[in-house]
Amino acid sequence: DTGVSQNPRHKITKRGQNVTFRCDPISEHNRLYWYRQTLGQGPEFLTYFQNEAQLEKSRLLSDRFSAERPKGSFSTLEIQRTEQGDSAMYLCASSLGYRTGANNEQFFGPGTRLTVL
Amino acid sequence: KNEVEQSPQNLTAQEGEFITINCSYSVGISALHWLQQHPGGGIVSLFMLSSGKKKHGRLIATINIQEKHSSLHITASHPRDSAVYICAVRGWSGNQFYFGTGTSLTVIP
Repeated sequence: DTGVSQNPRHKITKRGQNVTFRCDPISEHNRLYWYRQTLGQGPEFLTYFQNEAQLEKSRLLSDRFSAERPKGSFSTLEIQRTEQGDSAMYLCASSLGYRTGANNEQFFGPGTRLTVL
Repeated sequence: KNEVEQSPQNLTAQEGEFITINCSYSVGISALHWLQQHPGGGIVSLFMLSSGKKKHGRLIATINIQEKHSSLHITASHPRDSAVYICAVRGWSGNQFYFGTGTSLTVIP
């Protein structure tokens, strides 16, 4: 399967613990996006990478959240000191993109569902 | 107020009916996407369009840039079309995406 993969698919944690999610994009895609989706809502943009550079971050991404894409391939999203409000589906997407503003279709991963108890 | 509004929020149809889902947006966009999300959470991109109309099988998407409005049509609906349909727009300023809250479609056999 050469689609976008995410691990783990589900994560249950206690409030205050740190969690890390991984996203493996489609191999030739240089753009990678993280989104958060709460129940009954559409996805919300969190952050975006072009290769290894994190080019944009939403104000939703508090200082407890950090994302990396160290080699321009897979990406990790870490949440420190989790809160119950962090419970959501965390979605990753990737796309091709050779210049800023290029309209390239995004391919989504299956998501990681986080539950904070 | 959300940058992207969809209607209706919920839609139930009989198999075979023609279905229309509407999306209005308030920001300048470079592209509009229609996405399909099944109960397991996986999202599939159906269309990306910046003008006119696109057709794929029983699905048709149209966009009117002047009116900042798009529609997704499903002809001869089938129970397997049951899913949440999400409208998303890409802003001019960068790579920011704005999403609607989705339309939950149930097609009854």
